[in-house]
Amino acid sequence: GAVVSQHPSRVICKSGTSVKIECRSLDFQATTMFWYRQFPKKSLMLMATSNEGSKATYEQGVEKDKFLINHASLTLSTLTVTSAHPEDSSFYICSARASGRYSYNEQFFGPGTRLTVL
Amino acid sequence: GDSVTQMEGPVTLSEEAFLTINCTYTATGYPSLFWYVQYPGEGLQLLLKATKADDKGSNKGFEATYRKETTSFHLEKGSVQVSDSAVYFCAQAGGTSYGKLTFGQGTILTVHP
Repeated sequence: GAVVSQHPSRVICKSGTSVKIECRSLDFQATTMFWYRQFPKKSLMLMATSNEGSKATYEQGVEKDKFLINHASLTLSTLTVTSAHPEDSSFYICSARASGRYSYNEQFFGPGTRLTVL
Repeated sequence: GDSVTQMEGPVTLSEEAFLTINCTYTATGYPSLFWYVQYPGEGLQLLLKATKADDKGSNKGFEATYRKETTSFHLEKGSVQVSDSAVYFCAQAGGTSYGKLTFGQGTILTVHP
């Protein structure tokens, strides 16, 4: 149980294009999902908190117009990197917090999406 | 604010050696504590957790005890294997962070045969 998937696992795009990354909770409902960015050999940086049916809350320094987050259902959140540039290349990881049988503070992580912008 | 400090890596060990990765935290309130493991090219997997003082989390031979008096959650394993080579993250949630996870900087572990 508590499986989170991400799609795609890898994406390569040209500079200036937009890329959408999906995060799905496969066997539980997630009222809250989180999006992280991980630089090589670095820890995870929380970008935003996504609550189903409401606007995402972005961390300080994260451009909300560049990183669009939509959490339209209890099992799906999407991150769209708009007008991507090479400096947006990174490993993006989502996590989901399950309601119900899991402890409130426990998050389940997706396998990550490697974005490369040429 | 809430923070997590992990021992600097990288850590290199021979197979069957004893492992300790230190982790300390600062928090207002009583956070839950976690160790996550990240294998090359993959996302994070929960390794173990503890939700209150003196709890011991354990999994796959790894252990960590929630020590409120020293604000620590050190990860230990008695005999490491090559397959344990990965990056290990200590994290906390709760306290003043309202459920957000605060991660340590990660410790790279390499185990040689």
